[in-house]
Amino acid sequence: AQSVTQPDIHITVSEGASLELRCNYSYGATPYLFWYVQSPGQGLQLLLKYFSGDTLVQGIKGFEAEFKRSQSSFNLRKPSVHWSDAAEYFCAVVGTGGFKTIFGAGTRLFVKA
Amino acid sequence: SQTIHQWPATLVQPVGSPLSLECTVEGTSNPNLYWYRQAAGRGLQLLFYSVGIGQISSEVPQNLSASRPQDRQFILSSKKLLLSDSGFYLCAWSVPGQYYEQYFGPGTRLTVT
Repeated sequence: AQSVTQPDIHITVSEGASLELRCNYSYGATPYLFWYVQSPGQGLQLLLKYFSGDTLVQGIKGFEAEFKRSQSSFNLRKPSVHWSDAAEYFCAVVGTGGFKTIFGAGTRLFVKA
Repeated sequence: SQTIHQWPATLVQPVGSPLSLECTVEGTSNPNLYWYRQAAGRGLQLLFYSVGIGQISSEVPQNLSASRPQDRQFILSSKKLLLSDSGFYLCAWSVPGQYYEQYFGPGTRLTVT
């Protein structure tokens, strides 16, 4: 069965520091992979997606993610975090040809001044 | 452009009372529609999805039901709320025939007391 694991429940980084949020998935073939961001009390916004091709994908708000098949990972990165990036981040997977999106439990990002 | 609305934004209901949450999408036709529940500290759980009027698929047996009386309207209901129904309910839509990329509404915070 497909699954998504986000090992870090919460992470705190200083403003201006780099960020990496981890995501591991379980799926027999190459899935479609997504990162969403959720501000408190709001819906989810798509940050970026990977379907195929270049394994490094660029998203909105200066985020990028790298698909590593050998590690079954799709980690989210940002070189310099801004206070406005404080939110909850969800990794998600959909099997190719499938319908259901499986979400990870989320990682809450705190940004300190 | 497409927009998705949910109401109410917040709701406090006593145990045993009925529930009706509404979701509408504008600017697209025949969207796929989804209801998710997000419990505190957990990811999103898919409750129902619909690919057309009157077509509802349930993912998790529970105290809730869904209906799609019009093309762009999706309703989540319960006859008698339980404490465990508390949570953040999110509606989402995707382009017809394309399930992977979903667009989320602002959500409804339900507290059952």
